[in-house]
Amino acid sequence: DADVTQTPRNRITKTGKRIMLECSQTKGHDRMYWYRQDPGLGLRLIYYSFDVKDINKGEISDGYSVSRQAQAKFSLSLESAIPNQTALYFCATSSNTRGRHGGYGYTFGSGTRLTVV
Amino acid sequence: TQLLEQSPQFLSIQEGENLTVYCNSSSVFSSLQWYRQEPGEGPVLLVTVVTGGEVKKLKRLTFQFGDARKDSSLHITAAQPGDTGLYLCAGVKMDSSYKLIFGSGTRLLVRP
Repeated sequence: DADVTQTPRNRITKTGKRIMLECSQTKGHDRMYWYRQDPGLGLRLIYYSFDVKDINKGEISDGYSVSRQAQAKFSLSLESAIPNQTALYFCATSSNTRGRHGGYGYTFGSGTRLTVV
Repeated sequence: TQLLEQSPQFLSIQEGENLTVYCNSSSVFSSLQWYRQEPGEGPVLLVTVVTGGEVKKLKRLTFQFGDARKDSSLHITAAQPGDTGLYLCAGVKMDSSYKLIFGSGTRLLVRP
């Protein structure tokens, strides 16, 4: 099984619908993140959580909400989807201690491709 | 505006050629990471550089962190088709948040 699992992998939804993207991890990491990837813009941080009781907005949180149900689970919701939320969404985790690389390396899921029509 | 600027945005080269990708910022980072992303997958960590002036090698890939910790470069020697992918640099800000800020990426195509 993958260290970070995202469901669904692909989703097409209509404007105005509520949709939830789910993420679960087996890394045992406290820190979890949701990023959005658009062509030419790299990855932009939507929300992040450093533990179960900690939720923080990233740089583009408007129109999104999150829930940290457990250490291993972090879900992202679009309350009323709009077409410009069409993108590739990634969940990631990181340790709160420096790894052997010397930094706080992130482990990413395989992504959810969301299309809002 | 991007906090981290990568150049070039796209690079198409012949197998065997050398190339360098740049990641620049006006901000100082406590560390900088390089990731490679393949279609349909999430980014995968290649290396983290932490100390100003640090150089790390990963087979044919050489990573350098600028002395002032504001920029980094990735040099690939004798590129191979398997090196094809999207290369992303990402910096950890100097505040205590440990959040990664990503560059816009360099899409590399190595033709056989």
